[in-house]
Amino acid sequence: DVQLVESGGGLVKPGGSLRLSCAGSGFDFSYYSMTWIRQTPGKGLEWVSSITRDSLSINYADSVKGRFTVSRDNARTSLYLQMNGLRGDDTAVYYCTRHAGVRSLTAIMFWGQGTVVTVSS
Amino acid sequence: EIVLTQSPATLSVSPGESATLSCRASQSVTTNLNWFQQKPGQPPRLLIYGTSNRAADIPDRFSGSGSRTEFALIISSLQSEDSAVYFCQQSAAWPLTFGGGTRVEIQ
Repeated sequence: DVQLVESGGGLVKPGGSLRLSCAGSGFDFSYYSMTWIRQTPGKGLEWVSSITRDSLSINYADSVKGRFTVSRDNARTSLYLQMNGLRGDDTAVYYCTRHAGVRSLTAIMFWGQGTVVTVSS
Repeated sequence: EIVLTQSPATLSVSPGESATLSCRASQSVTTNLNWFQQKPGQPPRLLIYGTSNRAADIPDRFSGSGSRTEFALIISSLQSEDSAVYFCQQSAAWPLTFGGGTRVEIQ
C-alpha cells in the first residue's frame, strides 16, 4: 500500500524556520511527481509546491515563493519542504501528496495524514 | 489563476437519495478536473480524476461528468458514510487550485 508519512511540524515564532519531511513507501518513489498542499479552516486547501521526479521542474505558489524550498531524495524515498521566514498565515496542516505519474500536472492520487505547523509568538 | 466555485455550500439529503454537486471553473480546464472526499480528522481522498474516472476502490455510486468549465459529481443512493466535505481541484494549469467545498449531510 502507498504510504506517505509527514514529520517536522510544530510551533515556531514568526520569522522562524522549519523543515518538513515526508517518507514515501509502497511505491516507486523515484517515478512520481510529488506535491505539498496545506489546509486551513479559513482558506481551505492551498497548493504550496510541486517537484518532478528528477527535480528538474519545480513550482511554487506565489504566497511561498522565495521563502519555501522543496526538494527530494529519491534514494531515501523522501520529500522535503524547507520553510523560512514563516508568517502567521503559514499556519496550516501540511500534506505530502503523490501525483498520478511523472508529470506534476496530473491528478493527486495519494495524501499523507498531514503535519501541523503553527506560527505564533 | 483558475478559480473553482462549488455549489451548493451545504447539501442535506436523506439516505438512498441522490446528490449532484457542482464545480464551475473560471476558465477551461478541459477535462483536468478531480474530486476529493474529506471526512473530519482525515486527509482528502481521491474519488474521481480526469472528470469521470473513478479512483481505485471507489464505489460506482460516485460518478463525474462535465468539460471545460462546468463539472458535476453525482452521488447516487447516498449512505450515511458519504457524509463529508467534497472538493473539486483542477490539474490543468499552475497554480493548482481547489474549490471551497460542498458539505454533504445525511439526514
